[in-house]
Amino acid sequence: DAGVIQSPRHEVTEMGQEVTLRCKPISGHNSLFWYRQTMMRGLELLIYFNNNVPIDDSGMPEDRFSAKMPNASFSTLKIQPSEPRDSAVYFCASSSPGQGRHEQYFGPGTRLTVT
Amino acid sequence: AQTVTQSQPEMSVQEAETVTLSCTYDTSESNYYLFWYKQPPSRQMILVIRQEAYKQQNATENRFSVNFQKAAKSFSLKISDSQLGDTAMYFCAFMESNDMRFGAGTRLTVKP
Repeated sequence: DAGVIQSPRHEVTEMGQEVTLRCKPISGHNSLFWYRQTMMRGLELLIYFNNNVPIDDSGMPEDRFSAKMPNASFSTLKIQPSEPRDSAVYFCASSSPGQGRHEQYFGPGTRLTVT
Repeated sequence: AQTVTQSQPEMSVQEAETVTLSCTYDTSESNYYLFWYKQPPSRQMILVIRQEAYKQQNATENRFSVNFQKAAKSFSLKISDSQLGDTAMYFCAFMESNDMRFGAGTRLTVKP
């Protein structure tokens, strides 16, 4: 299995621009999670999906952030407009709790820099 | 809300020796899951070990084992025969109903 795939691995953009991060979960996993990691706040859960449906988006910082999961094999996290304080590493993770497997497997992360 | 506390920001150990990383958590739930993740300089988050709260037996994975004390809400990680490749940030995580919360992490350095 290829594991969780994220793209791009690095993104540098200017303030005000739209940023889209992409994630492909492990095949067969029905839960998908988006996290943000910063030095100041550590790892924070932004939103998670079960069977493509958003379950808890209470961690999404502002309306500038949105996430979608149009099908079981693809999800996006969009920031519009981006701001310098959005600079962080964004991780996607997936799991299969319906099969009793609650551990989450993480992608390699996207390092976002907003200048 | 569940909180996870890792009281050791940094630790070091000599190669081949044993080290224990501490983690405590706060919850009113009885059914939950606990994990330790490793994040090396590559920043990849790697699952090290997991523990179901309903299991009394401590989980082990090769050189990694946990000491799970449910009443004390403690979940420490023991690394035996430390190797240079164990150098990384280690995160303790608590999960209930798919809501995962992480501790601030412990930076472990294995010295040759």
